[in-house]
Amino acid sequence: GQQLNQSPQSMFIQEGEDVSMNCTSSSIFNTWLWYKQEPGEGPVLLIALYKAGELTSNGRLTAQFGITRKDSFLNISASIPSDVGIYFCAGRRGATNKLIFGTGTLLAVQP
Amino acid sequence: DTEVTQTPKHLVMGMTNKKSLKCEQHMGHRAMYWYKQKAKKPPELMFVYSYEKLSINESVPSRFSPECPNSSLLNLHLHALQPEDSALYLCASSQEVQPHYGYTFGSGTRLTVV
Repeated sequence: GQQLNQSPQSMFIQEGEDVSMNCTSSSIFNTWLWYKQEPGEGPVLLIALYKAGELTSNGRLTAQFGITRKDSFLNISASIPSDVGIYFCAGRRGATNKLIFGTGTLLAVQP
Repeated sequence: DTEVTQTPKHLVMGMTNKKSLKCEQHMGHRAMYWYKQKAKKPPELMFVYSYEKLSINESVPSRFSPECPNSSLLNLHLHALQPEDSALYLCASSQEVQPHYGYTFGSGTRLTVV
């Protein structure tokens, strides 16, 4: 099926560093969502984006809806150990309720 | 209540067993979903229910049978599964149109088929 490509695949950083990851597609999406998933748990919504060019923050997290509507970006500032997990982007096209997930970015933060 | 509750949390079943996974939400969401997630992979959509009617079936094998008894409940009936069906099964819900608050996921049921 259709897939959203996330990069990087994994990141190993020191506490306090800033993190950037992105999600790209060959198709246009009208909603972008960013989720974090910890082991043994379901994905938890971090940020939702609904308009091209939209920039939204949630604490230390900032995400942007790409102007072409084919990509999205997530930044985490001043990372802390509890930021560890897998970050997934997810996109929705048209009027469908079908949500497609990206391949994920594994984040490890060393204290 | 802003949660999606899934039971059981863990399930081990034999290939000849019949079991059911349950999902419940009380947020007034009228769209509910089943996803399957293998280790270190993204969730993959299986089924979408909209106003208690099945609207999307992503070509899922018939050994998985979804059911939506009412607007708050979603079941996934399992029969004659294979070991490769072992995975984390996630339930989610959302507002039907323009889900401005995103899709809320449960914690999942970890299924092992032996």
